[in-house]
This record gives sequence, structure tokens and C-alpha cells, in this order.
Amino acid sequence: AQSVSQHNHHVILSEAASLELGCNYSYGGTVNLFWYVQYPGQHLQLLLKYFSGDPLVKGIKGFEAEFIKSKFSFNLRKPSVQWSDTAEYFCAVKRNSGGYQKVTFGTGTKLQVIP
Amino acid sequence: KAGVTQTPRYLIKTRGQQVTLSCSPISGHRSVSWYQQTPGQGLQFLFEYFSETQRNKGNFPGRFSGRQFSNSRSEMNVSTLELGDSALYLCASSFLGLHGYTFGSGTRLTVV
Repeated sequence: AQSVSQHNHHVILSEAASLELGCNYSYGGTVNLFWYVQYPGQHLQLLLKYFSGDPLVKGIKGFEAEFIKSKFSFNLRKPSVQWSDTAEYFCAVKRNSGGYQKVTFGTGTKLQVIP
Repeated sequence: KAGVTQTPRYLIKTRGQQVTLSCSPISGHRSVSWYQQTPGQGLQFLFEYFSETQRNKGNFPGRFSGRQFSNSRSEMNVSTLELGDSALYLCASSFLGLHGYTFGSGTRLTVV
């Protein structure tokens, strides 16, 4: 079973629309959470990360994500998207497994922003 | 600071051949992870190396192997290539495996 779920595979929005991409995981215990972005033709880049503390995390380019422990979720949000946000977004979860840190990525959500 | 460097960028191989991909992490990063990215399966974890030791391994057959050298550079080898091995292979490095990972641009492998 998929342990990190990104339910939206493809999202199309108009510029200035608000964005929320879902990410759910199925691990108990302590986790570290990440969102990565891959712009067309470019390599994966870290957008933001959550390790501890304030569950509302602010990242680059106006993105933020909220860790809701009770819902095992770490949804990515942006109040107003731009055409340049067109990219594929990956959620990732790092947790302890057998004494080591393991990172699992979701399958990604392709965001297309229409001018 | 130079980023994560993967070579070669593109590779075309025929079924049954073997291939070796290389990854040079960011200077000072000792953790190197390998991922396979395909349109259908997304990002799948292959393995992670730290200080020349494999720490984690994903669910890939034994045809996929890797190693890490004392300078933290890593290589990934795939033997007896199959058509389904066509993918973008990504390397990511991290400082002690903590915090986020920095990805390279990948090696696009096409098996014909």
C-alpha cells in the first residue's frame, strides 16, 4: 500500500486562484515532512520542511504547509498561484525504520496554472 | 558551492547490457540516496549510502546495486537491463541524512 498519498495527480488552476495540494501518510511515530517541487526541465528542489515546532511552515515563493498530526496530513497551500508555479510537486515523509531514517515520496501532483 | 552532479545526463542501452551511473554529492555531504523516477510510478527509493555503507534499500531486484567511495561519490549499477528500467535516475545528497535532500539533474536511461 502507498504510504505517502497525494490524491490529486493533476490540478489545473487559473492565475490568482488559491492552491491546496493534499498529502497524507500512514506512519505512526515521529516524522519529518517535506515538499519538493520540480519545474519543467529542472531538478527537484526543496520547497519547505517540517521537523518540529509550529505546525504551520512557510517556504519559498509564498508556499506554506500545515502539519495536522491527528489527520496524518501535510497539505501544501498558496493563496494566489502564478503561471510560474506550473510544476510537479512531491510530498515526502522521513521516519525511523529499523534504526535508520527512511524517506518515502508521494507519486507527485502536476500543477498547471493557466494565465 | 557546486550542486549534486550526475553523469552521464543521457544514456541509451540495449536489453541485457549493464550500466553504471555516477553521482558526486555536494561537498561535505556524506549521505547519498538514489531514486528512480517514471511517469507511472513516480519517485521510488532505490538505496541510501552513508560513509560507504548502504543504510537503506528499497524494493528493487538485485540487478540494482550501488556503492559509495571514501570521497562520498556514489555509483549505481544496473545489470541485465530490461525495457522497464527506462527511467530518470536521480541522486540526492544530504548532510548526515538530516534535513532536506539536494537533488541532481538526473541521468535519463533509455533501454531499447
